Amino acid sequence: SAVISQKPSRDICQRGTSLTIQCQVDSQVTMMFWYRQQPGQSLTLIATANQGSEATYESGFVIDKFPISRPNLTFSTLTVSNMSPEDSSIYLCSVDGGTQETQYFGPGTRLLVL
Amino acid sequence: GQQLNQSPQSMFIQEGEDVSMNCTSSSIFNTWLWYKQEPGEGPVLLIALYKAGELTSNGRLTAQFGITRKDSFLNISASIPSDVGIYFCAGPQGGSEKLVFGKGTKLTVNP
Repeated sequence: SAVISQKPSRDICQRGTSLTIQCQVDSQVTMMFWYRQQPGQSLTLIATANQGSEATYESGFVIDKFPISRPNLTFSTLTVSNMSPEDSSIYLCSVDGGTQETQYFGPGTRLLVL
Repeated sequence: GQQLNQSPQSMFIQEGEDVSMNCTSSSIFNTWLWYKQEPGEGPVLLIALYKAGELTSNGRLTAQFGITRKDSFLNISASIPSDVGIYFCAGPQGGSEKLVFGKGTKLTVNP
């Protein structure tokens, strides 16, 4: 399985500011995904990050709030814009596991918005 | 969209006991995945199931793909304290690469 790292691992931010989260994979992958995990909750898919094209967002998530970049096959960023306390969550990136319909996850970024 | 219902929501057991949890859906899934998330970490894939009726083991963990394709079970034998965490089932949404997750079963093991 791929080795995935995320930066930062955690952060405390003020409302109204933005934070960019980085996701780095140790091998080239076709698909990268970004999830949100609210406190005590399950994982909700935010968007699929496509290399060379715009990200595909799920219902309830918009590009203005969560802009995503995917400059190459090993890297992606997620920005949480104009943050409010409701954005306090764990943000996780994942990558597809090749042909087996699996995904492998990074360690997550723990965000607290005050 | 497709939803996955996990039960129980939480379990408190003694070390050495066996654990059983399940995941059900009103829709058919062609793949069932089981993940474990420990505090402060991302989910780790434990077992992947691809065929109805399939029974797959990973150490003390055994998972089964239900015959109807609408459910899956995860069993942990002889639990140990490091089994503590939240166990999620997941499956591809509508045949796409996107995963839908259950709400998780939180396992606590008392030494």
